[in-house]
Amino acid sequence: TQLLEQSPQFLSIQEGENLTVYCNSSSVFSSLQWYRQEPGEGPVLLVTVVTGGEVKKLKRLTFQFGDARKDSSLHITAAQPGDTGLYLCASDGGTSYGKLTFGQGTILTVHP
Amino acid sequence: DSGVTQTPKHLITATGQRVTLRCSPRSGDLSVYWYQQSLDQGLQFLIQYYNGEERAKGNILERFSAQQFPDLHSELNLSSLELGDSALYFCASSPFPQASNEKLFFGSGTQLSVL
Repeated sequence: TQLLEQSPQFLSIQEGENLTVYCNSSSVFSSLQWYRQEPGEGPVLLVTVVTGGEVKKLKRLTFQFGDARKDSSLHITAAQPGDTGLYLCASDGGTSYGKLTFGQGTILTVHP
Repeated sequence: DSGVTQTPKHLITATGQRVTLRCSPRSGDLSVYWYQQSLDQGLQFLIQYYNGEERAKGNILERFSAQQFPDLHSELNLSSLELGDSALYFCASSPFPQASNEKLFFGSGTQLSVL
């Protein structure tokens, strides 16, 4: 089973600041997904990255997939209180579709 | 709203008891997944059903079982409950697992508290 390490575990910032969350593995990702989970809700898929070096943007969120497909990052520009939540990276290892292995997550709190 | 419905939202029970968690997938989705989320273990895959048949298993305890019915809803049965079973249990669905980047739609979860 592929292990996904996320850092940092906690992030507390002020509105308007930028931040980056990291997801790393010792083995190659077939693909990687980023989810956001708000209190009392299930995870919601933000993006899927597949190709090494790929960069995807979703409004103020920028997702990068490492060239070697062993790491990924999520960068948020000018964070807002609505960005508060648990950010999770996940991968299915390319073999068992839908059987996702999740990282431990990064709890982001954005203060007004 | 993901379209996945889970009931009940909260469940409080005692050790040794048995509970059933229910999940209705999105309309048209054939595959259902169960995940457990706890503070120490994070979000972990338990089991997957596709069109009524078990397709994949994760670290699901023998005390736990699941099934998917002809109408595609699914139930997760937890028996001989222990304190450590207290967690959030999520159901997710997808049309059917045909690609490595299949999108899963998660329900809002059932918070199980074993006292």
